Amino acid sequence: SQELEQSPQSLIVQEGKNLTINCTSSKTLYGLYWYKQKYGEGLIFLMMLQKGGEEKSHEKITAKLDEKKQQSSLHITASQPSHAGIYLCGAGPRGSSNTGKLIFGQGTTLQVKP
Amino acid sequence: NAGVTQTPKFQVLKTGQSMTLQCAQDMNHEYMSWYRQDPGMGLRLIHYSVGAGITDQGEVPNGYNVSRSTTEDFPLRLLSAAPSQTSVYFCASRSRGNEQFFGPGTRLTVL
Repeated sequence: SQELEQSPQSLIVQEGKNLTINCTSSKTLYGLYWYKQKYGEGLIFLMMLQKGGEEKSHEKITAKLDEKKQQSSLHITASQPSHAGIYLCGAGPRGSSNTGKLIFGQGTTLQVKP
Repeated sequence: NAGVTQTPKFQVLKTGQSMTLQCAQDMNHEYMSWYRQDPGMGLRLIHYSVGAGITDQGEVPNGYNVSRSTTEDFPLRLLSAAPSQTSVYFCASRSRGNEQFFGPGTRLTVL
């Protein structure tokens, strides 16, 4: 079965610093999703990547899916306290777009110090 | 649209009790899923459904039952609650090829 490993597990950065979170899959990725979760709340969709080499940006967050489609990175530029939370990557096996069967990494907890 | 709704938000059960966690979506999504979230383990898939009348097991299905009689509703049943089922439960829905929307979660404690 497919497994997703996120690194680092936790991260503390000073406000204004850049940071990167990685998501590595044990199998080829066919659709990679990034979500953010505030403590005690639900998950907020950030971005979806489907093609090898694809890169998407929203405000100060950029996500990439590598060419071999087994790793994705989430990069935050000039971090702010509002970026704090838990970041989760999710993916599914080939054909999962037809099933909704997504699995998730264990999450990366981000703290941003003012 | 209300999106994905879950009830209750909080629940405390005694070992051996049964209960149903409710989930509903008003986006006409084909696919619905149940996850549990535990510290350090991310989200683990319990059961999922690709449409009314069709369900399948995820990574951690033991101790849970589901049914999907309508497109909108996907309840999760705990037949005999155990302390190991203490967790935060999330329901999600999506349409083909699109992102998955999550409900606000249910915090369940089993004593």
